[in-house]
Amino acid sequence: DAKTTQPNSMESNEEEPVHLPCNHSTISGTDYIHWYRQLPSQGPEYVIHGLTSNVNNRMASLAIAEDRKSSTLILHRATLRDAAVYYCILRDRGEFGNEKLTFGTGTRLTIIP
Amino acid sequence: DAEITQSPRHKITETGRQVTLACHQTWNHNNMFWYRQDLGHGLRLIHYSYGVHDTNKGEVSDGYSVSRSNTEDLPLTLESAASSQTSVYFCASSRTGLAEAFFGQGTRLTVV
Repeated sequence: DAKTTQPNSMESNEEEPVHLPCNHSTISGTDYIHWYRQLPSQGPEYVIHGLTSNVNNRMASLAIAEDRKSSTLILHRATLRDAAVYYCILRDRGEFGNEKLTFGTGTRLTIIP
Repeated sequence: DAEITQSPRHKITETGRQVTLACHQTWNHNNMFWYRQDLGHGLRLIHYSYGVHDTNKGEVSDGYSVSRSNTEDLPLTLESAASSQTSVYFCASSRTGLAEAFFGQGTRLTVV
């Protein structure tokens, strides 16, 4: 599986935007970039995913570099509820039957009131 | 609403006992997964299934087994519990096509 690299931890002030980076220099052309987050004492939850173009949904935005070797998850206005561990995961669309998610250690985001 | 539920939420068992953790989903998803989460290791895949009667080993499958007799359930069995299996266990499900996965609330298992 292609590997992702994320900072271990980040801090951000409440009500400010947060940019969570992810490097994936060995990404293949069929890899989708998925983001999940895990709130304290809960299971992970899906945030967003994309292939080449930037993506937006009600939770966040995903900005993908033109060469696809990095991406950034953007929380537009962080709240205390956004304090979680954020995981950047590559999923290979070209590998038949490979539906499983492989988690790294993620980025622990702390929101400062 | 469709959901995925794990039971029990907490369990304490003795070394050597057989333990089964339940996972039930009502989305009719083909794919189901079991992960364990320990401090400093993130989530690691134990076993997974892509449909009824299909099971596959993940990266940390030793000492665990699963069976898939219907779409809704994927029970995880610890054949002979060991202290190293003390962990938080998460079950997940997804439909085919790299769709988003839905996770249960987790089962905290302590082996004494």
